[in-house]
This record gives sequence, structure tokens and C-alpha cells, in this order.
Amino acid sequence: AQSVSQHNHHVILSEAASLELGCNYSYGGTVNLFWYVQYPGQHLQLLLKYFSGDPLVKGIKGFEAEFIKSKFSFNLRKPSVQWSDTAEYFCAVNTGFQKLVFGTGTRLLVSP
Amino acid sequence: NAGVMQNPRHLVRRRGQEARLRCSPMKGHSHVYWYRQLPEEGLKFMVYLQKENIIDESGMPKERFSAEFPKEGPSILRIQQVVRGDSAAYFCASSPMAELAKNIQYFGAGTRLSVL
Repeated sequence: AQSVSQHNHHVILSEAASLELGCNYSYGGTVNLFWYVQYPGQHLQLLLKYFSGDPLVKGIKGFEAEFIKSKFSFNLRKPSVQWSDTAEYFCAVNTGFQKLVFGTGTRLLVSP
Repeated sequence: NAGVMQNPRHLVRRRGQEARLRCSPMKGHSHVYWYRQLPEEGLKFMVYLQKENIIDESGMPKERFSAEFPKEGPSILRIQQVVRGDSAAYFCASSPMAELAKNIQYFGAGTRLSVL
């Protein structure tokens, strides 16, 4: 069965620090990859997605992610975080069926 | 265009009672998904429905859980005779036909079920 691993469960950063959240998946075939964010009390919101083409994808709010097929990874990055980035971040994979497989999430706390 | 609406946001039930969770998809979306997030775990797929049809229920527990998406009205996830282990956040998502191939799903804010 497909699985998604997010190794960092909790991350604490100061404003302006750089962010990288790890995401690895287990599936040997073609995948669609997603990062979702959930701000406190709000719905899950799509940050960015990868289907094909350029492995470096840019999303909203200055986030980007790089798909490295050989490493089965899709890490999320942001050069300089803000206090408003405090949220929970979920990596998800779709392998061709109408369902997403999610990682356990990473809680990011950005201190002002 | 209102997003995916779930209600209630919080639901408290005693063991043995029934829980009904509602999901209104975004306007024009005819595909609905339910996911469950247990404490300290990721979201886990439960069921995928189209109007009046269950397409994939491979993630639904075999007993006590059911889901429907009628022709009119919201999708309902029903849990009968709830137990403490059902305490979780239940998320609904929807997709329009045009984005099915890329599996882009739009999520609601979730319903947090607490079973006493």
C-alpha cells in the first residue's frame, strides 16, 4: 500500500528563518503530489501540486517544492517564514485512484 | 463561491449514540470524499461518492459507518452506536468533474467528533 512519511512532526522557527519540511512517499509508479496547509480553525487549503514537467513547483504565499523522483521525495520550502505561516502542513500523494494518501502532518510554529 | 461547508464543526456524543456529519460540496461539484484524522495521525480516506452512488468505500469500517450523497442535499456520514475510538476529525472534500483526472480536492474545515 502507498504511504507518505513526514519526518518532522513539530517545527519551531523564528521569523525570517528558512523552512524545509520533508515528505517521502512509497510508490514506484506515476504519482501526483500535493502540499496542503491548515491554518488554525480553517479548512485544508492547497498550497501547491505536482503532476508532471518541471520538478520545482511554486505555490501560493512564497512556498515551493521539489520533486526528486530518485529519492521519492517532495520537500516543501520557503526561504523566509512569517508569523502568519504558523499552521499544520500535510503532504499527500495520489496514485491514480480517486483518493489521496496523506502524511501525518507537520505543525509549524513561527515565533515573531 | 462558498467553499466546502461542514457541520457541525464540533459534535459531542455519548457512547452508543448516533453521529451525523454533514457536508455541502462547493457549487457545481458532484464528487465528494470523506477522510478521517485520528489523533496524531494523517488523514485517512474513507469513502468516495458521486450523486446517489458510492464509488469507493474501501476505507470505511465494515460496521456502524455509512455514507450517502443524495440527489438533493448534503452528503451525510453516519456513525451508529459510537465508541470512544470514533473520536476524530472528519474531513469532507469535493471535486468538479473537470478536475477529477488530476484529483484536485477542495476541503472543508472538518467536524471534530468527541465521544464521551
